[in-house]
Amino acid sequence: GDSVTQMEGPVTLSEEAFLTINCTYTATGYPSLFWYVQYPGEGLQLLLKATKADDKGSNKGFEATYRKETTSFHLEKGSVQVSDSAVYFCALSAISSGSARQLTFGSGTQLTVLP
Amino acid sequence: NAGVTQTPKFQVLKTGQSMTLQCAQDMNHEYMSWYRQDPGMGLRLIHYSVGAGITDQGEVPNGYNVSRSTTEDFPLRLLSAAPSQTSVYFCASISTSGGARAQFFGPGTRLTVL
Repeated sequence: GDSVTQMEGPVTLSEEAFLTINCTYTATGYPSLFWYVQYPGEGLQLLLKATKADDKGSNKGFEATYRKETTSFHLEKGSVQVSDSAVYFCALSAISSGSARQLTFGSGTQLTVLP
Repeated sequence: NAGVTQTPKFQVLKTGQSMTLQCAQDMNHEYMSWYRQDPGMGLRLIHYSVGAGITDQGEVPNGYNVSRSTTEDFPLRLLSAAPSQTSVYFCASISTSGGARAQFFGPGTRLTVL
C-alpha cells in the first residue's frame, strides 16, 4: 500500500537557520504530494502541493520539489523564523489509496525555532 | 465563509458512553473525511464520504459510525466509547480545484475516554 516516511523529529533550529525536512514516499501510479503544517492547538493547514514530477510547490518561503526518480518531496526553507515552530506533515494522494480523494500521512516532524 | 467547523472542541467520556462529533462545511465540497491523530502516528483515516448518502470505511473504522444526509454535515458517532479512542479527531473537506486534492481541516475535537 501507499506510505509516507518522514524525517524523525523533533528538530530544533536557531532563527535564520536553513531547514530541511526529508520526506519519501511509496505509491503506485502518480500521486499528488502535499506538505501540511499544524500550529499548536489548531488543525492542519495546507502549506504547499505538487501534482507531477519536477513540480515545485512553494508558499511562505517554504519549497518542495516533486522528485519521482528518488520518490521524495523534501521541505526546505532558507531562513526559519520563530513563528515557523509547528508540526509538519508530508502526505500523498494517489488513485491506489482506495479513493483518489484520500490522503496518506507521514508521522509528522516537530520543528522548534529558537530566537 | 466559515470553512470546516467542528464541535465540541473538548470532550471527556466514560467507557461505554456514546456521543456524536459534529462536522460541517460551507464550501459545497462533495468529499469529506474523519481522521484521528495519535502521537507519533500522523493522521489515520476513519471514514470518508464522496457525497450525500455515500460513505465508506477508512483505515481504522472499528467503533465508529458515520452518515451523510446532507452535503454540509458529516457527523461521527462513537457507539460505546473505549479508552483506545482517546485521541484528537479532525474532520476534513476536500477540494479538487487546481488539479490536486487539497483537504481543508477543521480545528479538531480532543476526546478523552476514562
